[in-house]
Amino acid sequence: RKEVEQDPGPFNVPEGATVAFNCTYSNSASQSFFWYRQDCRKEPKLLMSVYSSGNEDGRFTAQLNRASQYISLLIRDSKLSDSATYLCVVNDTGGFKTIFGAGTRLFVKA
Amino acid sequence: EAGVAQSPRYKIIEKRQSVAFWCNPISGHATLYWYQQILGQGPKLLIQFQNNGVVDDSQLPKDRFSAERLKGVDSTLKIQPAKLEDSAVYLCASSLVPSSPNLSYEQYFGPGTRLTVT
Repeated sequence: RKEVEQDPGPFNVPEGATVAFNCTYSNSASQSFFWYRQDCRKEPKLLMSVYSSGNEDGRFTAQLNRASQYISLLIRDSKLSDSATYLCVVNDTGGFKTIFGAGTRLFVKA
Repeated sequence: EAGVAQSPRYKIIEKRQSVAFWCNPISGHATLYWYQQILGQGPKLLIQFQNNGVVDDSQLPKDRFSAERLKGVDSTLKIQPAKLEDSAVYLCASSLVPSSPNLSYEQYFGPGTRLTVT
């Protein structure tokens, strides 16, 4: 089993749609969780951290389920500019081991 | 604020040749990471430094890859000799050191070096 697993997609959705991605992790001791966004041929950039209580930033909502060892990202009212690869990132205590998922590709179409 | 700088941006070499990549992190960031990203995959951590010490190099192929951060600022990653499967984008990232063991900070990535081994 991979340490961090994501559905590679691609997810093809129309503008305005709601789309959700899940990411599972194998190490129950993992402490920190993030979603990064990576545009084609660009470097990854932080989209949002994932807190135990769940957190929301505009159209984006992230949640953590420690019991089932997964995190999720919900995008509401999708925009064309949301088209990208979304990378799930899991860190062990103190960030001493950083593991990226393979990413989920999203295409938002007009 | 200046971001993470990397050079070169592109490099084409033949197998068995050597290559080196350079990274200058964001000022004040004590933690520096080198990642390898193969097309279609997520970044894979090769080595992580905190200041000039190695925190994690468990996935660095030490028979051919080496990295240093002598003064705790700039870093170089070297491959010697290169293999075809080393073709990838090499990303450097930096972050602050967490104030608590339970915290991790955002990593800021450089633009990467795209390596092609022929």
